[in-house]
Amino acid sequence: QQQVKQSPQSLIVQKGGISIINCAYENTAFDYFPWYQQFPGKGPALLIAIRPDVSEKKEGRFTISFNKSAKQFSLHIMDSQPGDSATYFCAASPNTGNQFYFGTGTSLTVIP
Amino acid sequence: DTAVSQTPKYLVTQMGNDKSIKCEQNLGHDTMYWYKQDSKKFLKIMFSYNNKELIINETVPNRFSPKSPDKAHLNLHINSLELGDSAVYFCASSQDLQNNQPQHFGDGTRLSIL
Repeated sequence: QQQVKQSPQSLIVQKGGISIINCAYENTAFDYFPWYQQFPGKGPALLIAIRPDVSEKKEGRFTISFNKSAKQFSLHIMDSQPGDSATYFCAASPNTGNQFYFGTGTSLTVIP
Repeated sequence: DTAVSQTPKYLVTQMGNDKSIKCEQNLGHDTMYWYKQDSKKFLKIMFSYNNKELIINETVPNRFSPKSPDKAHLNLHINSLELGDSAVYFCASSQDLQNNQPQHFGDGTRLSIL
């Protein structure tokens, strides 16, 4: 059973555009929501993370929007660049232990 | 210096063989993990260890046996390899078991079963 649902599976965006990736969850015990970025041949690396006590977190061109009531969160990449082309994973972790449940990943391609 | 290093990077072997993957972290972290990433890039946890003790053991066949000789190392031994074991295996570490600690991943070991 997929604990975190992620969409779209793939995304193609023009350089300078906004990339938006969405995730949804059901387990109300989740209280930490990181996003990971993975380049080909590399392991995932933490990009940005949020807790449900805030509705938005911004770091540079990357923003997480969080809707606790809808149990949804999304990653927005502003001014997308070809170097952002990678696979992005959302994840969720309950407040007990450090077990992450990952989404199925979104392959982002930014066209120059 | 590589924070989480795995060896080998590639492993090609025959069905039925036994193989091991080694992982070492130099971050001073207490917690280490093994993940399996399938051909569709789905990432699923297999095991986690905290200070050499097994914490998480997902429904993984008992052909897979993790071993943690010390908290900086977590190795994965796989017996009687099957075609379905073909995947990329990632080792990761985090400071401790607090859920807001980022996990640092190695670059993966691509296992191909012939």
